[in-house]
Amino acid sequence: QKEVEQNSGPLSVPEGAIASLNCTYSDRGSQSFFWYRQYSGKSPELIMFIYSNGDKEDGRFTAQLNKASQYVSLLIRDSQPSDSATYLCAGNYGGSQGNLIFGKGTKLSVKP
Amino acid sequence: GAVVSQHPSRVICKSGTSVKIECRSLDFQATTMFWYRQFPKQSLMLMATSNEGSKATYEQGVEKDKFLINHASLTLSTLTVTSAHPEDSSFYICSAREPRINYGYTFGSGTRLTVV
Repeated sequence: QKEVEQNSGPLSVPEGAIASLNCTYSDRGSQSFFWYRQYSGKSPELIMFIYSNGDKEDGRFTAQLNKASQYVSLLIRDSQPSDSATYLCAGNYGGSQGNLIFGKGTKLSVKP
Repeated sequence: GAVVSQHPSRVICKSGTSVKIECRSLDFQATTMFWYRQFPKQSLMLMATSNEGSKATYEQGVEKDKFLINHASLTLSTLTVTSAHPEDSSFYICSAREPRINYGYTFGSGTRLTVV
């Protein structure tokens, strides 16, 4: 069974710190991974996706993928209170016809 | 970026009535769309997969006669909650698989349904 696991948190970090969000997956067949941010009462919005081993950076966000260890992480540098949200990790099993399997999300709280 | 438009954003209806929610892909064709429901402080729950020109695929435990899905074109899927009851009150979100983001999902803005 394909699963994506996340620590539900809450993860609390002080403003300006690095927030590290982690996700593990059960099936080596997953090809791409996605990080979504969901504010309370809003729908998820895509932050980044990654499909190659290693790091991918976009502004304050860095996604890391390690296929051998089957984990993917999201680092948020210089965390801001506006980053406080639930972060969802998702894996794609099946390419263009695949469905995303979502983790349950990690709640991040950035304290001023 | 890709845009998925969902309408209405908020609806209040009386118990026993039906409510239709629309989901449109504005700048790409979506042969497949997904409908989710989310209760307060809970995770996204996939309800059904909507396929253009064919019947929707419902997840286990979701009543297909209560949640009617129609995907008549490559840019529009609708979810109709029939004979709504207070327990159907929830946040309904649609999404579409988007080629330009490696087939990740772009989500609509969601519909807050309250049944009174």
